[in-house]
Amino acid sequence: DQQVKQNSPSLSVQEGRISILNCDYTNSMFDYFLWYKKYPAEGPTFLISISSIKDKNEDGRFTVFLNKSAKHLSLHIVPSQPGDSAVYFCAARAPMYSGGGADGLTFGKGTHLIIQP
Amino acid sequence: GAGVSQTPSNKVTEKGKYVELRCDPISGHTALYWYRQSLGQGPEFLIYFQGTGAADDSGLPNDRFFAVRPEGSVSTLKIQRTERGDSAMYLCASSLSLADNEQFFGPGTRLTVL
Repeated sequence: DQQVKQNSPSLSVQEGRISILNCDYTNSMFDYFLWYKKYPAEGPTFLISISSIKDKNEDGRFTVFLNKSAKHLSLHIVPSQPGDSAVYFCAARAPMYSGGGADGLTFGKGTHLIIQP
Repeated sequence: GAGVSQTPSNKVTEKGKYVELRCDPISGHTALYWYRQSLGQGPEFLIYFQGTGAADDSGLPNDRFFAVRPEGSVSTLKIQRTERGDSAMYLCASSLSLADNEQFFGPGTRLTVL
């Protein structure tokens, strides 16, 4: 049972445009959400996060939106740049020792973002 | 400062053999996590340590998998009687403490069981 779902395996966006990556979750105990970026042959790199008490967090070109009622979050990248081409993972965590799931991060399967020149 | 390091970067072994994968976390990070990533999947949680003790090992798939962190720094993931299905990328991550949600990942060890 996938508790974090990224339903788009890949996404192609033109350079300069907005990239929107989506993520849905089913576990209502999750209270913290993160986006990681992964290049081939490297480990995931932390990008941006959001706590469930917020609905938006912005860092430069990256903005994460959280809709708790819909159990949905999205990552917006604007403007998209060639270096943004990578696999993006959505991850979530329940409060420690809450019984809401393993205390590690729960990841989606990832979305491969391709920025076209 | 140095990030999380993992050795070896690649490990090829034969079915039935024993392997050890090493993780060196960021200095000062007390929490350490192991994940496994199969092709086309996201990382899956295996086990984490706070200091020397395994705080949660609920993700370990079976008793052939074991991990230690004897001095609260370096950790070793041990796999006995390896099977072809164990082939995957094994990722290690560390965070300042368990309360810190941001985890920093190493480059991983690619394990191939023939």
